[in-house]
Amino acid sequence: GAGVSQSPSNKVTEKGKDVELRCDPISGHTALYWYRQSLGQGLEFLIYFQGNSAPDKSGLPSDRFSAERTGGSVSTLTIQRTQQEDSAVYLCASSIAGMVYNEQFFGPGTRLTVL
Amino acid sequence: AQKVTQAQTEISVVEKEDVTLDCVYETRDTTYYLFWYKQPPSGELVFLIRRNSFDEQNEISGRYSWNFQKSTSSFNFTITASQVVDSAVYFCALSELYNGANSKLTFGKGITLSVRP
Repeated sequence: GAGVSQSPSNKVTEKGKDVELRCDPISGHTALYWYRQSLGQGLEFLIYFQGNSAPDKSGLPSDRFSAERTGGSVSTLTIQRTQQEDSAVYLCASSIAGMVYNEQFFGPGTRLTVL
Repeated sequence: AQKVTQAQTEISVVEKEDVTLDCVYETRDTTYYLFWYKQPPSGELVFLIRRNSFDEQNEISGRYSWNFQKSTSSFNFTITASQVVDSAVYFCALSELYNGANSKLTFGKGITLSVRP
């Protein structure tokens, strides 16, 4: 079946511009996660959605970052006024029920480069 | 706070050698889960194994085996008779029950394994 998909696969933007990254989770998965992978910091948690509950935004690095999940499915991560330190691979994952023991399935990521 | 340490950053072996990837974790929770993921050059993270804190049985799956020791807070991964296709970055990760509704994964920095023919 279809896995987690993300778009675009690559995004190059200029400092100060806003970007939107999209994630389509596996159909039927109620939990959705965003992570960021950068050379210096490794893989970091950003935000977590579970069903209709309020998202856990505890990993967002600044108020320039926001995310929404519409209809319990597709999610969009928005970065406003991008900075060079935002350059990283942004990974989306989903799991069937968001339990601590559930395997997370990852998408291929969006590589963001801020010039 | 939870933490995962993968002290080895890069390992290079020749095909058919055995290799062990180390993982040490810290948690204040008594109920937690440990995972290993593989990230091949294509970039997509692939789930390998999950272990809960109450099950210390070692596990073997083909050429892969995992050794979980609570006494040393370690969850090491061994590849027997390594192959070129094993070349990838391997991540160890932790999720904790005490996080309540958030089942986020805390990852180690990853180990880059290169298997030379």
